[in-house]
Amino acid sequence: AQSVTQLDSHVSVSEGTPVLLRCNYSSSYSPSLFWYVQHPNKGLQLLLKYTSAATLVKGINGFEAEFKKSETSFHLTKPSAHMSDAAEYFCVVSGANFGNEKLTFGTGTRLTIIP
Amino acid sequence: EAGVVQSPRYKIIEKKQPVAFWCNPISGHNTLYWYRQNLGQGPELLIRYENEEAVDDSQLPKDRFSAERLKGVDSTLKIQPAELGDSAVYLCASSLGLRGARDGELFFGEGSRLTVL
Repeated sequence: AQSVTQLDSHVSVSEGTPVLLRCNYSSSYSPSLFWYVQHPNKGLQLLLKYTSAATLVKGINGFEAEFKKSETSFHLTKPSAHMSDAAEYFCVVSGANFGNEKLTFGTGTRLTIIP
Repeated sequence: EAGVVQSPRYKIIEKKQPVAFWCNPISGHNTLYWYRQNLGQGPELLIRYENEEAVDDSQLPKDRFSAERLKGVDSTLKIQPAELGDSAVYLCASSLGLRGARDGELFFGEGSRLTVL
């Protein structure tokens, strides 16, 4: 079984300040972890992914995330928020299960940027 | 390159009516997914196709939901009859193959928003 818990349903930060979106995971297997972003009325877009290579992964638009196995966490960060970062962010886990792999999404974190 | 195309974008129906959603995946992607996203929740997998074969439909409510993927390209998702609880956004996604799921490289359409009155 696998699951993800996004610890904050809503995060607000001022433009130009750091962003931290928190995610904890649970997986019976060595997981792959992802962050997806969903802008209003748009499809989900892959932001970054961890697939057992480097534990610090860099994604698009200046985002990065660090895989910490000891803490079962995969938090998403960005040094300086931009207005265009306002969106819904989903932490996602994928794990092998007798070859039937699928993605399990968290409930999402809505990021609001204050001008 | 065209992305995943879904239609209709919005649909409002009365309960007990049928509804169908259509998806055209990215050319060359042999894996296709249908997800349902309820308000304030993350997407949940309904069915996954490898080419024309449904390889994971364990979460599809088979009493009222059906799906098909003829010729391993386009896909349709049907609900008959619709219930109030079916109001949600239905997302279609595609990837290059099973490996794509583990790599997380799914490409999503903009979704079809269903409202059941």
